[in-house]
Amino acid sequence: AQRVTQPEKLLSVFKGAPVELKCNYSYSGSPELFWYVQYSRQRLQLLLRHISRESIKGFTADLNKGETSFHLKKPFAQEEDSAMYYCALRVRSGNTPLVFGKGTRLSVIA
Amino acid sequence: DAGVIQSPRHEVTEMGQEVTLRCKPISGHDYLFWYRQTMMRGLELLIYFNNNVPIDDSGMPEDRFSAKMPNASFSTLKIQPSEPRDSAVYFCASSLLLGVAFFGQGTRLTVV
Repeated sequence: AQRVTQPEKLLSVFKGAPVELKCNYSYSGSPELFWYVQYSRQRLQLLLRHISRESIKGFTADLNKGETSFHLKKPFAQEEDSAMYYCALRVRSGNTPLVFGKGTRLSVIA
Repeated sequence: DAGVIQSPRHEVTEMGQEVTLRCKPISGHDYLFWYRQTMMRGLELLIYFNNNVPIDDSGMPEDRFSAKMPNASFSTLKIQPSEPRDSAVYFCASSLLLGVAFFGQGTRLTVV
């Protein structure tokens, strides 16, 4: 079975500091990885997906199959980045829905 | 499209009462998911439908939980009888062909 692990429940950083939200997964096949974000009192929304290889709001994430990781990074955190971040995995070639990690709450301190 | 619409946004009920949560997916989406969000467990998939047919309900915690999708534009999640440990935020999401999932704003359920 697929599993997503986000080891940090809470991450606090100062404004302007680099941010790395960790995500590890367990799946032996070819996964599709996502990061979802939930700002205060808003719905979950897609932040980025690994197949797009894009930077959204300054965030990037690289799929590392050797380490089975998909860490989310941003070089300079902003206060508006404070939110709940969820890493999610989907089997690319199957009829299975997203499996989410437990989430990491990012708090950016001014 | 207004996105996935859930109602009510907030529900407070007494233990033992029946609770019904509602969801309208994005028009044209063929998958619908119900998730439960808690501090302890994060986001848990309860059940999902494909073309109105339940595909996997193994995440439904107990027989007290049931979900239906009578047509492509409406789904309900029912808890009967409700218990305090059911207190959580319940999200509905929909997608096309198991692509990117779009979430509703959630229903915050409090059972006292």
